[in-house]
Amino acid sequence: EAQLMESGGGLVQPGGSLRLSCAASGFAFSNYAMSWVRQAPGKGLEWVSTLHGGDDRTYYADSVKGRFTISRDNSRNTVYLQMNSLGAEDTALYYCAKEGRASGSYPSYWGQGTLVTVSS
Amino acid sequence: DIQMTQSPSSLSASVGDRVTITCRASQGISNYLAWFQQKPGRAPKSLIYAAYILQSGVPSQFSGSGSGTDFTLTISSLQPEDFATYYCQQYYTYPRTFGQGTKVEIK
Repeated sequence: EAQLMESGGGLVQPGGSLRLSCAASGFAFSNYAMSWVRQAPGKGLEWVSTLHGGDDRTYYADSVKGRFTISRDNSRNTVYLQMNSLGAEDTALYYCAKEGRASGSYPSYWGQGTLVTVSS
Repeated sequence: DIQMTQSPSSLSASVGDRVTITCRASQGISNYLAWFQQKPGRAPKSLIYAAYILQSGVPSQFSGSGSGTDFTLTISSLQPEDFATYYCQQYYTYPRTFGQGTKVEIK
């Protein structure tokens, strides 16, 4: 069974940086696209970024493009989200998700999330 | 970007009721539509993909239908554990977009 464990969240000042990690197990990690989805307090789900398996194509929401970078280390079964120039609008619970196939589809399995709070 | 609009935003229902939630895309997305369930304080859970295919382990009271721009999630007989917020998401193209959610509450 797939397992995803996010880490790296915390309190950061506006303008600061943070790197989130998501350790995966229970499936052939390199064969699947991986995504980050966030949820601001009391709000709905917002797709952030997806990294395909195989060709390593990356996609970003306009709200984070140029500030966030998704990457993966297949040898460690881990996907990362480097977040720079953070603002209050980035405060959210960040979920890592396994997609249904290498070229990206829908988030078939979700981790429990890691909380990012941007505040001075 | 493709906008996903769910209705209603919330509903009150009783155990045993039949519940229908609709999701409308601002442009055609074929059947590239998924549904998720989220309970308070919990991560979302995948229910349905490709508009109508149940994720493994999802109870049969859930069903999905639709294609193009109009989709529905139906719970045939609401169970106590089904009270949650439900989201649709299109994966036809990037950026992926979610509906705003439908909260199903106990009447």
